[in-house]
Amino acid sequence: DAGVIQSPRHEVTEMGQEVTLRCKPISGHDYLFWYRQTMMRGLELLIYFNNNVPIDDSGMPEDRFSAKMPNASFSTLKIQPSEPRDSAVYFCASSLGLGTHNEQFFGPGTRLTVL
Amino acid sequence: DAKTTQPPSMDCAEGRAANLPCNHSTISGNEYVYWYRQIHSQGPQYIIHGLKNNETNEMASLIITEDRKSSTLILPHATLRDTAVYYCIVRVVDTDKLIFGTGTRLQVFP
Repeated sequence: DAGVIQSPRHEVTEMGQEVTLRCKPISGHDYLFWYRQTMMRGLELLIYFNNNVPIDDSGMPEDRFSAKMPNASFSTLKIQPSEPRDSAVYFCASSLGLGTHNEQFFGPGTRLTVL
Repeated sequence: DAKTTQPPSMDCAEGRAANLPCNHSTISGNEYVYWYRQIHSQGPQYIIHGLKNNETNEMASLIITEDRKSSTLILPHATLRDTAVYYCIVRVVDTDKLIFGTGTRLQVFP
């Protein structure tokens, strides 16, 4: 398996533009997670899905952020409109789900820069 | 908020054992201790986890104190490639969320 795939790897945009980050989880994994990492706040969980359904979006910073999972093999994280403070590395992760061994496999991340 | 406390940084000589401590004094009976690491510019990587018994795998050993209020991750023979930020995480077994703290930045030197 190729692991968790994220695209693009780097994104530079201007304030006010819409940004869409994409993630393909590992085949067969039921859970998908979106994280954001900054120097100031570290690694934060934004939202996670189980079987394509959002379970907990309490980490989503505000209404400008939205995430969807239209099928088991694809998810998007959208920021509209983007702001400079959204600059961060966004990671997607997937896992098999509940149980004592809940290893999350992380993708390589998307480095977002909002000018 | 993260329920763990770790030293911000540590050094270790290549070939020596790296012992990374973690304090989780408020851990509950149904909470596991997980360790992940993040090598520069990469996504975090799972290392090991445990409940109350010591655990060992091909990457590391996890020693959990009898009262479960602290644990130590041991890399038996550190290499330069082990230079990374190591996160100690407490997770409730029937939830899926991992709450990352600030971690320990381990620098392995030649």
